[in-house]
Formats: sequence, structure tokens, C-alpha cells
Amino acid sequence: EAGVTQFPSHSVIEKGQTVTLRCDPISGHDNLYWYRRVMGKEIKFLLHFVKESKQDESGMPNNRFLAERTGGTYSTLKVQPAELEDSGVYFCASSLGVEGFYEQYFGPGTRLTVT
Amino acid sequence: GESVGLHLPTLSVQEGDNSIINCAYSNSASDYFIWYKQESGKGPQFIIDIRSNMDKRQGQRVTVLLNKTVKHLSLQIAATQPGDSAVYFCAEQDSGGYQKVTFGTGTKLQVIP
Repeated sequence: EAGVTQFPSHSVIEKGQTVTLRCDPISGHDNLYWYRRVMGKEIKFLLHFVKESKQDESGMPNNRFLAERTGGTYSTLKVQPAELEDSGVYFCASSLGVEGFYEQYFGPGTRLTVT
Repeated sequence: GESVGLHLPTLSVQEGDNSIINCAYSNSASDYFIWYKQESGKGPQFIIDIRSNMDKRQGQRVTVLLNKTVKHLSLQIAATQPGDSAVYFCAEQDSGGYQKVTFGTGTKLQVIP
């Protein structure tokens, strides 16, 4: 069974440009999460989808970040316009259930560098 | 604010010895804790979890201990191997419909052959 996949693995863009990250969860997982780790800091939650709906977006830093999950399958995270402080590693995770505790499976991450 | 944090940033252990990685948390209402392992170029990987109604849980070569009195978690790795070299995170996961994971800062484990 394929795990969570993310694309691209690495992106280098200039400040002010737009970048779109993609996450493909494990097939059948209704829950999809985005996290990120900026330099020197811990991994922080961004948001949580249940199917195509945003369950919790309390971690989104500002309105330059837009996450979508049309059709409840893959998700995209767009940063527009990118700022220097957006540099870091963006992780996506997926899980099967909602009630109780379900293991979240993480993808390898997308390393974003804003110059 | 609420946080899950780690005491030591780096731990060096001789191959074959046991490793102990510690973690403190501040939210006394925390109900579910997880240890993750992250190898270079990969995402966090689930190792073991423990509910707040337990003090100890064992897996294959790993044991997690929970001390709710002092809000402390530890991960013990028996007979540490070179493949155990990685960054280890303790984390707390919300329950119910909100499942976000709150990570600590991480401890880098270096296994000396």
C-alpha cells in the first residue's frame, strides 16, 4: 500500500512568488492534515480536513496560505505571496478515523526555500 | 501556553546500550501521547503511544513511561542500534473530532558504533 506522498520534494522560489504544494493521502483516509517546521522550531499544526471540509484551520498563519481538498482526495496548499519566513518543511499526514485516536501517517515533506 | 517540550537536544549512545529520551508536557488535561521517530529526509514515523490512564506501555525494544504527577514522558530504547539514529519527538494528540498533533522540539539520538 502506498504511503502519503507529497510533491514537490523541494521548491525554491523568490519572495513574492506563489507556490503550490500537493499532498496525496493514503487511499481511503478521510482525514488529511498539514503541518510545517520552520527553521529551529518544532513541527506545528496548520489545518485538518475531514473529506473536503476544513475541520480545524486554527494553525494557519495568515491569509497568504490557502488549503483546498476538492473531492476529498488530494490536497493543495498554496502560499501567495511567499515571504522569507515561510521557508521550512511542510508535512502532510492522513488518518483513517476521527473518533478516538487514529495514527497519523506522515509524508516525506516538501522543503520550501524562499529567497 | 500549553506545550510539549524536551529536556535535551542531542543524545549520544553506544551501540548496544539502552537509550532514554525524556519529555515534559504542561497541559495536565492531555489524554494521549505519542513518540515519533524522524529519519533524515522522511516524515515523522509513529513509534509508540500511551493513553493518560496508563503508566507504561511496551513495544518491540521500546517502552514509554508516563508520570502524570510530574507531567513527564520518557522513551526507552533497548539495545540501541545504528538504525535508531534519528530525531525523536514526543507529541500530544487531541481527541474526538479534533485530532491535531502538538509536537515537542525533538531530541537527536546519535548511536556510536
